[in-house]
Amino acid sequence: QITLKESGPTLVKPTQTLTLTCSLSGFSLSTGGVGVGWIRQPPGKALEWLALIFWDDDKWYSPALKSRLTITKDTSKNQVVLTMTNMDPVDTATYFCAHRGSSRDYFFDFWGQGTLVTVSS
Amino acid sequence: DIQMTQSPSSLSASVGDIVTFTCRASQSISTYLNWYQQKPGKAPKLLIYAASSLQSEVPSRFSGSGSGTDFTLTISSLQPEDFATYYCQHSYSSSLTFGGGTKVEMK
Repeated sequence: QITLKESGPTLVKPTQTLTLTCSLSGFSLSTGGVGVGWIRQPPGKALEWLALIFWDDDKWYSPALKSRLTITKDTSKNQVVLTMTNMDPVDTATYFCAHRGSSRDYFFDFWGQGTLVTVSS
Repeated sequence: DIQMTQSPSSLSASVGDIVTFTCRASQSISTYLNWYQQKPGKAPKLLIYAASSLQSEVPSRFSGSGSGTDFTLTISSLQPEDFATYYCQHSYSSSLTFGGGTKVEMK
């Protein structure tokens, strides 16, 4: 079955770069139509989409955060990595990775459990 | 960017109630609208995609409708496990956005 799991630091300092890894199981990012996205959620607030990477290495980014985000894939390891530069306390959130649910649409049908990242000095 | 506005932000209801809440897009998105349910401390769960298609294994008491800019999610008979927060998300363009959520609380 499809599963995703996020990993990375739980605490980062302001101005540092955050690197999160999403480990995939049950599917491959080398398969046509597949995509993996990142979504975050500050405590008590709404979901915010960050980025999406496709099997063909196409990449979409949130316009509001595009300058700070990089999404990459390592097909051999079946992982997706998100980096976010210049972290700020407002970036404190639970970060989720999720599987694209359709090759013809852009919703997310399987999600990781999420990882809480706190930005504090 | 397309903005998604959900209303109400919260509502109180009882088990067995019919519950309806809305999601409005700032421009027409055809039927590129998806609904998720999220419980505290958990990842969101996909309920409805393409405005009205029920995701596999989601109970049939959930239904979605709408096109263009106005969409609704209806729970035909609220169950105890349905108390949660519901989010809409458009997938019309390469800048995906979620709504602010509607929290369904017990009356």
